[in-house]
Amino acid sequence: GENVEQHPSTLSVQEGDSAVIKCTYSDSASNYFPWYKQELGKGPQLIIDIRSNVGEKKDQRIAVTLNKTAKHFSLHITETQPEDSAVYFCSVELGSNYKLTFGKGTLLTVNP
Amino acid sequence: NAGVTQTPKFQVLKTGQSMTLQCAQDMNHNSMYWYRQDPGMGLRLIYYSASEGTTDKGEVPNGYNVSRLNKREFSLRLESAAPSQTSVYFCASMRTEAFFGQGTRLTVV
Repeated sequence: GENVEQHPSTLSVQEGDSAVIKCTYSDSASNYFPWYKQELGKGPQLIIDIRSNVGEKKDQRIAVTLNKTAKHFSLHITETQPEDSAVYFCSVELGSNYKLTFGKGTLLTVNP
Repeated sequence: NAGVTQTPKFQVLKTGQSMTLQCAQDMNHNSMYWYRQDPGMGLRLIYYSASEGTTDKGEVPNGYNVSRLNKREFSLRLESAAPSQTSVYFCASMRTEAFFGQGTRLTVV
């Protein structure tokens, strides 16, 4: 099955700095790469996603980049704010089977 | 529009007891999922249902059973709970993106 590695497991930044979280995957047939944000006591919520025919996607302060050759993708958050503090999960869908495999998560702390 | 609703939110069971976690979605999605979340382990797929009437095992199915009651509802049953099943359980439904419920925090003592 698909294997997803996520780094770092924890990340602490100062407010206003940028944060980058990286994921690698094993199956070259994977074609959908969503990122989820989970706040304390809540379920994960989609924040941005990218499909395999696109190299980069931006939505305001967040962006995702995809390198299919190297089989890795990254989440970039610019101008971080305290409300960005949460656990972030990368995930991968193989083919069109609608099954998502998740990384182990990154706890992001933004210090005021 | 409630999205994905899970019940109960919290539950404590004794070892050997059984219970069913309920999940319902109102987005008319075909696919539904049960995940468990443990510290440092991310979200691991227990079972999923690609459409009404079908269910398949995920990564960690042992000790669980599921029922896709209709298009809206997908339940997860623990027949004989074990301490290793202490976890937070999330139900999700998906068409092009996954929507998660608020989770059920289960403790087995």
